[in-house]
Amino acid sequence: DTAVSQTPKYLVTQMGNDKSIKCEQNLGHDTMYWYKQDSKKFLKIMFSYNNKELIINETVPNRFSPKSPDKAHLNLHINSLELGDSAVYFCASSPTKRGFGYTFGSGTRLTVV
Amino acid sequence: DAKTTQPPSMDCAEGRAANLPCNHSTISGNEYVYWYRQIHSQGPQYIIHGLKNNETNEMASLIITEDRKSSTLILPHATLRDTAVYYCIVRLNSNSGYALNFGKGTSLLVTP
Repeated sequence: DTAVSQTPKYLVTQMGNDKSIKCEQNLGHDTMYWYKQDSKKFLKIMFSYNNKELIINETVPNRFSPKSPDKAHLNLHINSLELGDSAVYFCASSPTKRGFGYTFGSGTRLTVV
Repeated sequence: DAKTTQPPSMDCAEGRAANLPCNHSTISGNEYVYWYRQIHSQGPQYIIHGLKNNETNEMASLIITEDRKSSTLILPHATLRDTAVYYCIVRLNSNSGYALNFGKGTSLLVTP
């Protein structure tokens, strides 16, 4: 069983479309995250949820909206996709809000054309 | 969180020890040092963390200097599969809710 699973693995879409990426963890962790890794390979935090509560919301366009229906799921919805949204999006989870034991998913490569 | 400085790249021969340095001269007394790595096209992987004592697990050892201003991650017998970008991160080990911030890391190339 994959600990942190993301779907889809690849997503190619046109500018202006709306798309969602799903993430599920079966580790029983309390905290989940969305990270974005751009073409320069910098890995930046976007959002974090702890027990379904939003605790981190970095400077991200409001076209990006996370949703956590329960503590095992954290989805990312993106409206009006732009070329600059092309990146690899990683979901992660950790046992608590502390800094160790993060488990990352394998990433979703989003390409906006 | 304290800032870290790592060399952008390093090479290591397979079977030898890989010693990856990290400077964190502004670290505060209650900040931990964390190491993660990212193998090409995969999500980052937790390796080890420590506060002031040296730490060892099945993956690596972490040596922290007495003044805590620098540390070294040691992979005792590097293999080709250890080729990855290694990130040294310093932050509080608290429930403050701050996520890990990844810098540029060190790109380690293990050669046959």
